[in-house]
Amino acid sequence: GAVVSQHPSRVICKSGTSVKIECRSLDFQATTMFWYRQFPKQSLMLMATSNEGSKATYEQGVEKDKFLINHASLTLSTLTVTSAHPEDSSFYICSARAPDRNTEAFFGQGTRLTVV
Amino acid sequence: GQNIDQPTEMTATEGAIVQINCTYQTSGFNGLFWYQQHAGEAPTFLSYNVLDGLEEKGRFSSFLSRSKGYSYLLLKELQMKDSASYLCAVMDSNYQLIWGAGTKLIIKP
Repeated sequence: GAVVSQHPSRVICKSGTSVKIECRSLDFQATTMFWYRQFPKQSLMLMATSNEGSKATYEQGVEKDKFLINHASLTLSTLTVTSAHPEDSSFYICSARAPDRNTEAFFGQGTRLTVV
Repeated sequence: GQNIDQPTEMTATEGAIVQINCTYQTSGFNGLFWYQQHAGEAPTFLSYNVLDGLEEKGRFSSFLSRSKGYSYLLLKELQMKDSASYLCAVMDSNYQLIWGAGTKLIIKP
């Protein structure tokens, strides 16, 4: 199956700094990537949909200036959490849509962000 | 609004069978997915149903009834490693995934 690699898997940063998370599709071209956030014992919450070469579409309530998404190529999307605060501590997961659009089944490993 | 319902937690015995139900109300339907998620890890794909009926894949089977807005995931010959959360997700008319809150499955020896 398709492989999606997400990096880093864990990051601890100081409050006020920025953190970049990368999501790569390793063996297919992903025209669309999705960024999710998951708080403990809660479901996945879609943050934004990232399309290659265009601006990301953010879900209601997600600050686009705080969560910067760049999808510069068909195999790479990045999420930058700017001026991170402790409440941004969460599990961030990306997924990439495979060429068959009905099988969006490929997730990155996730990134555990802790802001201290 | 769009809604996915599944039980919060279930307990089963090693070697037994368990059925996890999922009901949904969404704007359109382009398939239903089941994912397994171990604590601290990303979800992994288990199954995809778009037509009514049962899809069997090894120890896991998934059933769909579109008229009833209902699906279930059946796990047979339970193993301790099956202890995880099981997420039901429906793809709506915009090809967006709508997620259930997940069912935490606890397997006891």
